[in-house]
Amino acid sequence: DMKVTQMPRYLIKRMGENVLLECGQDMSHETMYWYRQDPGLGLQLIYISYDVDSNSEGDIPKGYRVSRKKREHFSLILDSAKTNQTSVYFCASSLTGDYAEQFFGPGTRLTVL
Amino acid sequence: GDQVEQSPSALSLHEGTGSALRCNFTTTMRAVQWFQQNSRGSLINLFYLASGTKENGRLKSTFNSKESYSTLHIRDAQLEDSGTYFCAADSNYQLIWGSGTKLIIKP
Repeated sequence: DMKVTQMPRYLIKRMGENVLLECGQDMSHETMYWYRQDPGLGLQLIYISYDVDSNSEGDIPKGYRVSRKKREHFSLILDSAKTNQTSVYFCASSLTGDYAEQFFGPGTRLTVL
Repeated sequence: GDQVEQSPSALSLHEGTGSALRCNFTTTMRAVQWFQQNSRGSLINLFYLASGTKENGRLKSTFNSKESYSTLHIRDAQLEDSGTYFCAADSNYQLIWGSGTKLIIKP
C-alpha cells in the first residue's frame, strides 16, 4: 500500500524547545516536501528536497531546517520553537520535482506553548 | 506572483444535487491537482490533470491550460462529500494553492 507517513501525529512543546517531525514514504519518490497549514488557509511550502542531501527553501523557510539522509525519509527540525510555529504540518512526496502529482501524509498537529 | 483564484469560498448543497467549483490562474500552469480535506484534516487526492477531463464516480474535473482555469463538478452529492476542496496548480516545480471551497452537504 503506497503511502506517506508522519510521526508524531500530535505534539505539544514549550517555547524554546527543539522539535523533530518525521516523514516517510514507500514509493521511492525522489522529491519530498514540507508544508504548514494554518486555520482557514491553504498550504504554505517550507522546504523541498529533490533527493538525498539536495534541499531547497520554499516560501517560508525561516525558523526551520530539514534533513534528508535517505530517500524514503525527510525530517523537519524546529530549533527553539516559537508560539507562531503552532500549526498543522504536512509532508508530501512526488515521483520527481518536475510536473508530478504530490501525495500527502496525514499531517502533524504541533502546538507550541 | 503566480496566483490561483478559487470560487466559491463556501457552498451549501442538498443531498442528491450538484454544483461546480472553479479555479482561475493568473498565468499558464502545467498541471492542476484537486484535493478534498476531510473533517479529520487529511488531504485526499481527487485528480491530477495536465490537460483535458477526468472523471471518477460522481466527480469530474477539467483543466484548460490555454484559458487558464480548472473546474471540479460534483453530482449527486452525498454527506461524505462535505469538507474543504482545494485546487493547486503546478507552476515552476511548486504547487500554488487556491484558498479552498468549504462544502457543506445538507440532508
